[in-house]
Amino acid sequence: GAVVSQHPSRVICKSGTSVKIECRSLDFQATTMFWYRQFPKQSLMLMATSNEGSKATYEQGVEKDKFLINHASLTLSTLTVTSAHPEDSSFYICSAFPPDRGTEAFFGQGTRLTVV
Amino acid sequence: RKEVEQDPGPFNVPEGATVAFNCTYSNSASQSFFWYRQDCRKEPKLLMSVYSSGNEDGRFTAQLNRASQYISLLIRDSKLSDSATYLCVVIEGFKTIFGAGTRLFVKA
Repeated sequence: GAVVSQHPSRVICKSGTSVKIECRSLDFQATTMFWYRQFPKQSLMLMATSNEGSKATYEQGVEKDKFLINHASLTLSTLTVTSAHPEDSSFYICSAFPPDRGTEAFFGQGTRLTVV
Repeated sequence: RKEVEQDPGPFNVPEGATVAFNCTYSNSASQSFFWYRQDCRKEPKLLMSVYSSGNEDGRFTAQLNRASQYISLLIRDSKLSDSATYLCVVIEGFKTIFGAGTRLFVKA
């Protein structure tokens, strides 16, 4: 069954509004979670590494003030897309590594964001 | 040069065909390798791990060639349900790097 749960699976929002996406580890504690973005027909691109109890680490070119990450507990990381614009429309997906599964990554179901 | 490169395809094959995908990676220090499958608008799911000794799971065989820094996936007796995008994934330290994916269409 799913070990990483992401919500919502789909969201449509107006330009200028903010959207929060949640990523939960269901039966393990995740000190680190990863957030990816995938544009159509392209690969998953790592946006940031979410660290429990400390600041997220952002990849080059990703605006930390636009993509706010909060990892306040060992089972929950949130990504907030602030002041969303149509170009932010994409598939956002989180992942984590359950400690008993080595380097096998488990993914949330993904969130399809459409900004109109 | 991209860290992980795949032929994007698409590969259009009839049912029952054998199809092979290759993937190359640039960092010789990469530690772990996987093939993931991604269906349209869904999250990637692990298909299989890749080892130098080869790994076979039913109709699927994965192989790693460290000297040449490439990974392969062979699918035998293709089924309609094999239609998907296949992602080559390389682990470097704490970093997971995805290839752009190879699209496969299996037709009746």
